[in-house]
Amino acid sequence: EAQVTQNPRYLITVTGKKLTVTCSQNMNHEYMSWYRQDPGLGLRQIYYSMNVEVTDKGDVPEGYKVSRKEKRNFPLILESPSPNQTSLYFCASSSANDRLRQPQHFGDGTRLSIL
Amino acid sequence: RKEVEQDPGPFNVPEGATVAFNCTYSNSASQSFFWYRQDCRKEPKLLMSVYSSGNEDGRFTAQLNRASQYISLLIRDSKLSDSATYLCVVNPLSGGYQKVTFGTGTKLQVIP
Repeated sequence: EAQVTQNPRYLITVTGKKLTVTCSQNMNHEYMSWYRQDPGLGLRQIYYSMNVEVTDKGDVPEGYKVSRKEKRNFPLILESPSPNQTSLYFCASSSANDRLRQPQHFGDGTRLSIL
Repeated sequence: RKEVEQDPGPFNVPEGATVAFNCTYSNSASQSFFWYRQDCRKEPKLLMSVYSSGNEDGRFTAQLNRASQYISLLIRDSKLSDSATYLCVVNPLSGGYQKVTFGTGTKLQVIP
């Protein structure tokens, strides 16, 4: 089954404790992206990656890091989480075969609470 | 002006009604457009792509108006199961990078 898998689904942690949210896709997609969703603000892009070792900032990259060492994985790293990073996070992927028509497939989401 | 704007709603409509949402975008160079559906705090799911010529999928019709820079979604014969938030998505760059922009969504509530 084609899917984007995020882990963990839920996490409550404390300020300053480094955490990683993993994202893996089995569709051989070139493009992957991380979003956060907050009430009234919609989905905002954090980082995206066009392919292995190619990443770029989205609209709200501060406080986050990403890496793309393998095509299927795109982890989101919070080196020193703060309460304002409490949010619902989505990973997404899409094919780059047709650059103008690239609907994205989303993971189930990760609810992150930073206390 | 926001890159992508949607009326947040909620739109409360009776079953069987026809409802339409618009989404305006600011970058005239935008090349690809989509409508996604999102149920309460779940992942967005692609509803339909929006083509220049317009496209239809069952009760759903999407249209693009480049001159006025908006896309629309029409839902006919609304069902209770259509209750959700509808997100429009715009790719502001022609080919190249995939820095897509989501609207904040329009909430639809279909009432029995």
